[in-house]
Amino acid sequence: NAGVMQNPRHLVRRRGQEARLRCSPMKGHSHVYWYRQLPEEGLKFMVYLQKENIIDESGMPKERFSAEFPKEGPSILRIQQVVRGDSAAYFCASSPQGGQEAFFGQGTRLTVV
Amino acid sequence: AQKVTQAQTEISVVEKEDVTLDCVYETRDTTYYLFWYKQPPSGELVFLIRRNSFDEQNEISGRYSWNFQKSTSSFNFTITASQVVDSAVYFCALSGVTTDSWGKLQFGAGTQVVVTP
Repeated sequence: NAGVMQNPRHLVRRRGQEARLRCSPMKGHSHVYWYRQLPEEGLKFMVYLQKENIIDESGMPKERFSAEFPKEGPSILRIQQVVRGDSAAYFCASSPQGGQEAFFGQGTRLTVV
Repeated sequence: AQKVTQAQTEISVVEKEDVTLDCVYETRDTTYYLFWYKQPPSGELVFLIRRNSFDEQNEISGRYSWNFQKSTSSFNFTITASQVVDSAVYFCALSGVTTDSWGKLQFGAGTQVVVTP
């Protein structure tokens, strides 16, 4: 049973471009969480999604950031018009329906140049 | 609101010394989960332990041990006989126990552990 898969592992974008980060949850997991780790900081919750629904987006910046978890395919975290301050590690975690474990992926390190 | 405080920014030890990482938390929930994660230089998050607030028994796993004290809202982590491979950032985290909350972790700022030979 493969773990939570995130890709790409490293992503470089120029200012103003769009960044798309993908997260494939563990098999059988229908809950996905995205976290951001800014340099020299801990991880901050961004958004919690279930299939086709955003459950809690209280940690998402109001502009330029969006997330989805479609019925088929991975969860996508999209950052439009990236700025240098978006450079961070973005982690995805997944958990099963009604389960009690959230498993983390290896993260995507976004660098904005 | 939930809050996790890891007051130690960095701890440096010489190999074979013991090191204790402090974690103090705040929550209004009567039931909650506490976690420790390790983040080695390679960057991934490695799960170490989850503790339910009802279970105040201390736990030992190899060279790792955890001391949960509900009365002081602390969940401290000790590495015994540290090794160079223990060099990493260690995060303490807190979550609720409902379906909508337990995947939403509140992390502390982390403690960098540096173990030198």
